[in-house]
Amino acid sequence: GIQVEQSPPDLILQEGANSTLRCNFSDSVNNLQWFHQNPWGQLINLFYIPSGTKQNGRLSATTVATERYSLLYISSSQTTDSGVYFCAVLISFNAGNMLTFGGGTRLMVKP
Amino acid sequence: EPEVTQTPSHQVTQMGQEVILRCVPISNHLYFYWYRQILGQKVEFLVSFYNNEISEKSEIFDDQFSVERPDGSNFTLKIRSTKLEDSAMYFCASRSGTARNQPQHFGDGTRLSIL
Repeated sequence: GIQVEQSPPDLILQEGANSTLRCNFSDSVNNLQWFHQNPWGQLINLFYIPSGTKQNGRLSATTVATERYSLLYISSSQTTDSGVYFCAVLISFNAGNMLTFGGGTRLMVKP
Repeated sequence: EPEVTQTPSHQVTQMGQEVILRCVPISNHLYFYWYRQILGQKVEFLVSFYNNEISEKSEIFDDQFSVERPDGSNFTLKIRSTKLEDSAMYFCASRSGTARNQPQHFGDGTRLSIL
């Protein structure tokens, strides 16, 4: 099956710093989603981004499908950005699709 | 914005007991999913459901698991005889049927603890 690799696995930032999280995938995908898992375990959908660049406040994401990677940028990080960031790629089959998740990047933002 | 709703938020069950996790997908969605996340690990696909039948399932989804859409709004995951290793966060998701690559919308999860 498809492999989804995220880097770095762990990241510690000082509040206000910027960061880039990477997601590599081993095969063509129909789409890609980025999630933030907060300390309560909730999966918050950040971006749905098959290709190109999207921005939402301090966050932006870029997917280059032809080169099989996606990047998540966090600018001016805040302590509330702490948590685990997952990318998930969408694989289609006959009757629908499924998401395959990467291993996540665990982010800690220190005040 | 419409949400996927899951109940209960936390379920504690004795090993060997049956458990039913409940989900109310977004009302006009046609595709439904269950995912599982063991503590500290990544989220794993369990099963997808469309048109009142399972369309895909993973190796994790063995005979102890079943899914059902008992009425027009609920989507349930049943674990027949729970084991310690079933302890995990279970997420329900749904998506619309308008196009195959539409995003999946996730509920807040049910944390299942098997004692």
